[in-house]
Amino acid sequence: DAKTTQPPSMDCAEGRAANLPCNHSTISGNEYVYWYRQIHSQGPQYIIHGLKNNETNEMASLIITEDRKSSTLILPHATLRDTAVYYCIVRVVGSGNQFYFGTGTSLTVIP
Amino acid sequence: GAGVSQSPSNKVTEKGKDVELRCDPISGHTALYWYRQSLGQGLEFLIYFQGNSAPDKSGLPSDRFSAERTGGSVSTLTIQRTQQEDSAVYLCASSLVVGGSSYNSPLHFGNGTRLTVT
Repeated sequence: DAKTTQPPSMDCAEGRAANLPCNHSTISGNEYVYWYRQIHSQGPQYIIHGLKNNETNEMASLIITEDRKSSTLILPHATLRDTAVYYCIVRVVGSGNQFYFGTGTSLTVIP
Repeated sequence: GAGVSQSPSNKVTEKGKDVELRCDPISGHTALYWYRQSLGQGLEFLIYFQGNSAPDKSGLPSDRFSAERTGGSVSTLTIQRTQQEDSAVYLCASSLVVGGSSYNSPLHFGNGTRLTVT
């Protein structure tokens, strides 16, 4: 399984872009990168995922490097409600249980 | 539509008692997962069900833990002879596995059952 490494914590000023990095240097060609976030006392919430192209949706953008060994989740205009733990996960296409969470990045948005 | 529903939301039990935790997945989702999250930790995979295939039980921490999924829908996680180290939030997730495609849909999580063993 590819593993991911993330900084344990980050701060971001409200209204600014939050850029959360993730390293997945052992990723395989068929492994997707998924991002989730978890707000205290709730289940993880899906944000975005991608294979090799950059992706954007209404919540965030995902930038994946050309060698696919790292990615960045971008929250373009962080709000206080974006304060959460953000998990970067790699998942093998067609697999079942290969969806392992690490300890994530605790993002604090500061007013 | 309705999301993944888990019950109870909170459960306090005495050491040595058995507990059952219930998960109602999103209608039509064929894959169902159980995870455990201890205080301040990441998610620990427990078990995975996909359609009629044999479940992947590789994450169950001991033989006191078991799970079943009836009719391909509702799932029950059972912990026998609970211990204090079983205290955690138990999360259920479901997903729609798209056959014939290399694209798998994301997991959708419930809000979990907080289990406290006293």
